[in-house]
Amino acid sequence: GDSVTQMEGPVTLSEEAFLTINCTYTATGYPSLFWYVQYPGEGLQLLLKATKADDKGSNKGFEATYRKETTSFHLEKGSVQVSDSAVYFCALSDLRGQNFVFGPGTRLSVLP
Amino acid sequence: DGGITQSPKYLFRKEGQNVTLSCEQNLNHDAMYWYRQDPGQGLRLIYYSQIVNDFQKGDIAEGYSVSREKKESFPLTVTSAQKNPTAFYLCASSIISPNYGYTFGSGTRLTVV
Repeated sequence: GDSVTQMEGPVTLSEEAFLTINCTYTATGYPSLFWYVQYPGEGLQLLLKATKADDKGSNKGFEATYRKETTSFHLEKGSVQVSDSAVYFCALSDLRGQNFVFGPGTRLSVLP
Repeated sequence: DGGITQSPKYLFRKEGQNVTLSCEQNLNHDAMYWYRQDPGQGLRLIYYSQIVNDFQKGDIAEGYSVSREKKESFPLTVTSAQKNPTAFYLCASSIISPNYGYTFGSGTRLTVV
């Protein structure tokens, strides 16, 4: 079945450091790909998405590019802030939109 | 503004009691979902519904029950058969499309006392 793998956390960075959180997937065909963010004690919020190969999703300084050759959707940000501390989930949706699969999440801590 | 509302934010349950968590959406979404999240863990699907009066078990349905009498509402009951109910519960909704993604509520934290 479809699956999503993320790099294990926690990831700890200093403010203004470069962030990469790796995400790879296994799926039939070309699913849509998503990144969600969860701040402490809250629900998940959609951060960005890409619906076809080579698409780049971006929001709030975060970016991710849909790479079908490597079945990856890595999340990047050039300069993280303390306020970016959260758990980040990579996810995919199958071609019919009836099966949504989340990765295990990666906790990011940004130190001042 | 459209959104998805979960209530209450915090809930305490005594041993042997059933409790019901509310989830309401005004987004006109067809599908609704319940997830459980344990500390430091990912999301596990409890139940989902893609149409009124129909719902399906997810990966961890034992000890839980749901109903979908209205499109807007998808309450979750945690029964006394659920032996370890302390967790963070998240409700989500979506249109059934591969490109849309889910909209989540703010969650209910359930604690057994």
